[in-house]
Amino acid sequence: AQSVTQLDSQVPVFEEAPVELRCNYSSSVSVYLFWYVQYPNQGLQLLLKYLSGSTLVKGINGFEAEFNKSQTSFHLRKPSVHISDTAEYFCAVKAYGGSQGNLIFGKGTKLSVKP
Amino acid sequence: GAGVSQSPSNKVTEKGKDVELRCDPISGHTALYWYRQRLGQGLEFLIYFQGNSAPDKSGLPSDRFSAERTGESVSTLTIQRTQQEDSAVYLCASSLQGRFLNEQFFGPGTRLTVL
Repeated sequence: AQSVTQLDSQVPVFEEAPVELRCNYSSSVSVYLFWYVQYPNQGLQLLLKYLSGSTLVKGINGFEAEFNKSQTSFHLRKPSVHISDTAEYFCAVKAYGGSQGNLIFGKGTKLSVKP
Repeated sequence: GAGVSQSPSNKVTEKGKDVELRCDPISGHTALYWYRQRLGQGLEFLIYFQGNSAPDKSGLPSDRFSAERTGESVSTLTIQRTQQEDSAVYLCASSLQGRFLNEQFFGPGTRLTVL
């Protein structure tokens, strides 16, 4: 079975500052990794995903994440945030192979960008 | 193009009543998922439909929960004899296929409040 831990439930940050949202996972098998974003009153939107290859993944809106297998982490980063980045961010995993398609989600991190 | 739609957007019901939530997936998407998001929690997988295969019901929390899907179209999630702990946002997602790495597209959710 897989599990995902997002270490920070809330992250306040000032506009134009860098931000890192932390995600650690646990799995007995190899996994694919995802970050989703949920803007206020909207559905979840895929931000980026790691499938294989380069461990540094770039996504939409200037976000990137780095897969670290030894630390079982997939932290999300942005060098300079905007007010519009205020949202809730979810890290998720999906096991290799098998017939199940569902994602396992963390509890989410609320990013609040202040002017 | 049209995304995943869900109805109603909000539902308030009294404890003990039955509710039915609807999901319209993206046309052509064979895989459909239901998730539940309780306050302060991550998304919790409920059920997964893939084409004409038997659904994966492993995430349903009790026998009060059931879901149906007609072919590769609309799905309904039914909760019988609702309890206050059923209060949550119920999210539906669809993808081209479940087994592989196709992105899951999420609907805006139905916010269920059980009084």
